[in-house]
Amino acid sequence: ELKVEQNPLFLSMQEGKNYTIYCNYSTTSDRLYWYRQDPGKSLESLFVLLSNGAVKQEGRLMASLDTKARLSTLHITAAVHDLSATYFCAVSIYNQGGKLIFGQGTELSVKP
Amino acid sequence: DAGVIQSPRHEVTEMGQEVTLRCKPISGHNSLFWYRQTMMRGLELLIYFNNNVPIDDSGMPEDRFSAKMPNASFSTLKIQPSEPRDSAVYFCASSSSQGGNTEAFFGQGTRLTVV
Repeated sequence: ELKVEQNPLFLSMQEGKNYTIYCNYSTTSDRLYWYRQDPGKSLESLFVLLSNGAVKQEGRLMASLDTKARLSTLHITAAVHDLSATYFCAVSIYNQGGKLIFGQGTELSVKP
Repeated sequence: DAGVIQSPRHEVTEMGQEVTLRCKPISGHNSLFWYRQTMMRGLELLIYFNNNVPIDDSGMPEDRFSAKMPNASFSTLKIQPSEPRDSAVYFCASSSSQGGNTEAFFGQGTRLTVV
């Protein structure tokens, strides 16, 4: 059974600091996704990582994928308050029809 | 495209009543997912369809839950009878396997409260 685990689950940061969220998964996957969810809102896609060594960046967020270690990271650079949200990683399994399993989420709070 | 459309956005019902949640996926997407989100259990995959066919319903909590996808543009999730522990936000998501990119797009969710 595919398991996806994130850590930390809660993260309180000061503005301007850097931090990394980790996402481990238990079995071979085709692709890995990062999503953002604001309180009371839906999930918004941030990144799609398709292959080993893939790195994508958008603003202060950078995501990377190591398929051999079954690990993805979401790195936050010089955090700002607007980044406060819950971040989810998700993994899909192509030969299971694209079954998409989510991690527990990391609740990020950026304080002035 | 308007994105994934779910209805209703909010539903309050009494225990024992039947509840039907609806989803219209993005046109051209061939995979559809139903998720339930609660504080305690996070995002749980209930069931997903590929080309209108249910592929994996192992996440459906019990027989009170059922889901259908009669055509490529419509799916329902039904709970009968509903119980207070079914209170949650239910999300529908759709994706396309065309071109190898299976990024899923989420609807706005249905917030269900069973009293």
